[in-house]
Amino acid sequence: ETGVTQTPRHLVMGMTNKKSLKCEQHLGHNAMYWYKQSAKKPLELMFVYNFKEQTENNSVPSRFSPECPNSSHLFLHLHTLQPEDSALYLCASSQVNDDEQYFGPGTRLTVT
Amino acid sequence: GENVEQHPSTLSVQEGDSAVIKCTYSDSASNYFPWYKQELGKRPQLIIDIRSNVGEKKDQRIAVTLNKTAKHFSLHITETQPEDSAVYFCAARISGGYNKLIFGAGTRLAVHP
Repeated sequence: ETGVTQTPRHLVMGMTNKKSLKCEQHLGHNAMYWYKQSAKKPLELMFVYNFKEQTENNSVPSRFSPECPNSSHLFLHLHTLQPEDSALYLCASSQVNDDEQYFGPGTRLTVT
Repeated sequence: GENVEQHPSTLSVQEGDSAVIKCTYSDSASNYFPWYKQELGKRPQLIIDIRSNVGEKKDQRIAVTLNKTAKHFSLHITETQPEDSAVYFCAARISGGYNKLIFGAGTRLAVHP
């Protein structure tokens, strides 16, 4: 698959589980983003990475832990989540000096 | 904090009619305003954007207008078609932050044949 890919596409986890979301971009970009999309709410920016360095943490709870090992990969490590964390988690990428962000298909997360 | 308000939340039109979605933003230094379209079960995709140095931009049936003084911008879709049915999000880039976009809550557009 080209563009921005995300795995898994669907995830159900209990509140005591630990899981990770993966994002990979095949566009040669150097900026990557995590967004949370909840029903009837705006897309919420969570984290921004430019050249593998975190430049934005939008007051995200510590139960969400991002990791960016290189410009092509981005992870979101999850632990002790709450039911209200259930949402669609979208990854995006762009060039640092370009405005257009390309989104992945998202991971639909359900916390039980 | 900075925010973007979007109206209406839902919009229903007949095929061939025009649709207008409006957004207001709070950061007067914002200089980039994209619009994304998200079809059911799919990823958001950029459909048009505008920068603060222009007042209007058009791409076939889609146009965006920007009023910097009033801090609002609008998406106009003419001759709507059923395939235009989707959720549309406006966004504004926040000044002083790297690539930080603040999104509106979205407008669900339904175009009826």
